[in-house]
Amino acid sequence: GENVEQHPSTLSVQEGDSAVIKCTYSDSASNYFPWYKQELGKRPQLIIDIRSNVGEKKDQRIAVTLNKTAKHFSLHITETQPEDSAVYFCAASRGDYKLSFGAGTTVTVRA
Amino acid sequence: NAGVTQTPKFRVLKTGQSMTLLCAQDMNHEYMYWYRQDPGMGLRLIHYSVGEGTTAKGEVPDGYNVSRLKKQNFLLGLESAAPSQTSVYFCASSRLAGDTGELFFGEGSRLTVL
Repeated sequence: GENVEQHPSTLSVQEGDSAVIKCTYSDSASNYFPWYKQELGKRPQLIIDIRSNVGEKKDQRIAVTLNKTAKHFSLHITETQPEDSAVYFCAASRGDYKLSFGAGTTVTVRA
Repeated sequence: NAGVTQTPKFRVLKTGQSMTLLCAQDMNHEYMYWYRQDPGMGLRLIHYSVGEGTTAKGEVPDGYNVSRLKKQNFLLGLESAAPSQTSVYFCASSRLAGDTGELFFGEGSRLTVL
């Protein structure tokens, strides 16, 4: 099955700086790559997603890039704010109803 | 709309006991999923359903059973709980298949097996 690796496992940034989380996937047939954010004690929520026919997607301060050749995709958060502190999960799917999630990255934004 | 609701939110079991987690969604979604979340391992798919009356195995199905008798409900059962099943369980639903549509998660159910 699909194997998704996520790095780093923890990330501490100064407020206003950028944060980057990287994921690699194993199945070249994967074609859908969402990112979920989980605040402490809350449920995961979709923040952005990208499909294999797109190289980059932006939504205000967050962006995702996809490199199909290298089989990796990244989440970029610019001008980080305290409310960006959370656990972020990447995921990948080849279109068989199953999303494979990475292990998660705990992001802490320091004031 | 309540979205996705899970009950109970917390439960402590002894090894060998059985229990059922209930997931209910009011969004008329076709697809429903059960995940478990363990530290350092992300979310792993246990079972899923692509419509009323259907169920299928996910990544880690052993020790669990599921049923989807009604479109809005998805039940996860543990017949004989083991300490390895201590985890936080999340139910999710989606309008489209999970690979091309947003998953809406419940608030989670924390299960401890002693």
